[in-house]
Amino acid sequence: AQSVTQLGSHVSVSEGALVLLRCNYSSSVPPYLFWYVQYPNQGLQLLLKYTSAATLVKGINGFEAEFKKSETSFHLTKPSAHMSDAAEYFCAVREANFGNEKLTFGTGTRLTIIP
Amino acid sequence: NAGVTQTPKFRVLKTGQSMTLLCAQDMNHEYMYWYRQDPGMGLRLIHYSVGEGTTAKGEVPDGYNVSRLKKQNFLLGLESAAPSQTSVYFCASSYNVASGRMLDEQYFGPGTRLTVT
Repeated sequence: AQSVTQLGSHVSVSEGALVLLRCNYSSSVPPYLFWYVQYPNQGLQLLLKYTSAATLVKGINGFEAEFKKSETSFHLTKPSAHMSDAAEYFCAVREANFGNEKLTFGTGTRLTIIP
Repeated sequence: NAGVTQTPKFRVLKTGQSMTLLCAQDMNHEYMYWYRQDPGMGLRLIHYSVGEGTTAKGEVPDGYNVSRLKKQNFLLGLESAAPSQTSVYFCASSYNVASGRMLDEQYFGPGTRLTVT
């Protein structure tokens, strides 16, 4: 069975500061991992994904995430926060076996940017 | 290319009423999904479909039914709405066979905000 834990339902950072959103996963087989972003009153948009290629994944809007198997983690980072990064962020996992098309989402982290 | 669209955007129902939410995608995707989003609970899978004419239960299927009569459409029905079904509902789709991208991500619609009083 697959599951995701996002530590911290709310994170606040100052504009220009480092953004770090934490995600730990559980999976019985090698996982595919995703980060999605949701802006107010909108659907989810893919930020980046890990699908067993490079462990450091770069996404849109300057975000990146590193897959660490030993720590079962896939934390999302951005070196310098911008006001436009204020949104809710969801980590998701999918087991990498054929026939399993279901994503399991974490409970989300709301990111606030302080001017 | 509209992507994934959902109808309606907002709806208010009384307890016991029924309704159908429509999801449409124009990306020729094989797989489609219905989720509900509740505060502090993330997205939970209600039902999904891996092809025209097929459906399967997700994590929270009770009180909902679905149908996929056409590849591009996925309908979510509430036969007798309850206040516990007040939520934001998202449809998603994935996997274009022609592109061979089994690792494709899910594409989401804008959501339907449903209130049951």
